[in-house]
Amino acid sequence: GAVVSQHPSWVICKSGTSVKIECRSLDFQATTMFWYRQFPKQSLMLMATSNEGSKATYEQGVEKDKFLINHASLTLSTLTVTSAHPEDSSFYICSAKQVDSNYEQYFGPGTRLTVT
Amino acid sequence: AQKVTQAQTEISVVEKEDVTLDCVYETRDTTYYLFWYKQPPSGELVFLIRRNSFDEQNEISGRYSWNFQKSTSSFNFTITASQVVDSAVYFCALIGFGSNYQLIWGAGTKLIIKP
Repeated sequence: GAVVSQHPSWVICKSGTSVKIECRSLDFQATTMFWYRQFPKQSLMLMATSNEGSKATYEQGVEKDKFLINHASLTLSTLTVTSAHPEDSSFYICSAKQVDSNYEQYFGPGTRLTVT
Repeated sequence: AQKVTQAQTEISVVEKEDVTLDCVYETRDTTYYLFWYKQPPSGELVFLIRRNSFDEQNEISGRYSWNFQKSTSSFNFTITASQVVDSAVYFCALIGFGSNYQLIWGAGTKLIIKP
């Protein structure tokens, strides 16, 4: 089956620093990747959709300058949380859509970010 | 607009009981897909089932079964003879053909199975 990895699985950083989270499709090519944020006891909230080789599309209310997304290849997308603050602490999940699929998305295991 | 409603915030049952998780959806698309995912305490989403809008057959997989009814826009999930390992948050989700492949998520139902 298709596998998506995320790195790191958890990270603790100090307020004001930047953190990069990687999302990789290990055995398939993904033209589209999605980034979600999940607060405790809540559902997944879509942050942005990234397409390989083009700028990401951000959902309303998501600061594009704060959450930088780069989808440089068909197997890698990165989310950089810039100048992190404690309110950015959350569980971040990526998913990858296979080329030629209308619906098949595979999820990464998530990254737990804690900003102190 | 597309929407997924999971009205049950939390369900608690004793082990071996049967339990049904409700999911009601709204979409104007005639072609769409419905999903159920399990999210255990680890956080990693586990895919359970996908159903397309043209296939209303009920599905059974071991202790899990799903009842898809377009007439009531529902896609309910039943666990038979529940086990403690079934404790998790369960999400119902929808993709419509006009949605740019974005999953529309329900709020989730937290299922607690007591020994």
